[in-house]
Amino acid sequence: NAGVTQTPKFQVLKTGQSMTLQCAQDMNHNSMYWYRQDPGMGLRLIYYSASEGTTDKGEVPNGYNVSRLNKREFSLRLESAAPSQTSVYFCATRDISYEQYFGPGTRLTVT
Amino acid sequence: QKEVEQNSGPLSVPEGAIASLNCTYSDRVSQSFFWYRQYSGKSPELIMSIYSNGDKEDGRFTAQLNKASQYVSLLIRDSQPSDSATYLCAVLSNSGGYQKVTFGTGTKLQVIP
Repeated sequence: NAGVTQTPKFQVLKTGQSMTLQCAQDMNHNSMYWYRQDPGMGLRLIYYSASEGTTDKGEVPNGYNVSRLNKREFSLRLESAAPSQTSVYFCATRDISYEQYFGPGTRLTVT
Repeated sequence: QKEVEQNSGPLSVPEGAIASLNCTYSDRVSQSFFWYRQYSGKSPELIMSIYSNGDKEDGRFTAQLNKASQYVSLLIRDSQPSDSATYLCAVLSNSGGYQKVTFGTGTKLQVIP
């Protein structure tokens, strides 16, 4: 039972490059989230998906797109990376009590 | 005013002491409250959730909720060096018709051997 997995763990991009962060869960939860975490800013919600086939913007969606491929998988795409997107990205799921379970994170550097 | 506020710390306590971590929130009708622990370089992990006023105990951890004063706290008894981490408070509230969880920026705890 892996819980929430994310790939890759680390990534370095040049400005303007694109990439997709992958997230998968085996917890059978409907809701999935993408956060970014920056020093002094805490966890900020980028996008979330309440169920398969639905996605909604969070607090900081600009520069990102998401796809809820199926119940297990929720991907985050950066179409044209910018240095301001240097951050640690966490995927999470939640249960019916709104307790959240986080993946190990992706550390992204954009130069 | 931030929706969820925590003192960034660091809060330093000696090994064996009680660590007290505090969190205040702005939405008076918030419903559920969560404490997460995050070790350096790792992801947040849930410690406890609390939904009603009073205390909730789980091992060495006690969460305390006071909705009238809009604060929630986490007590760690018999603090161990392994408790050194950043503790995140999170609050569930209704925002524009949907449920939203807002995280505080965390309090860094250092337990000194």
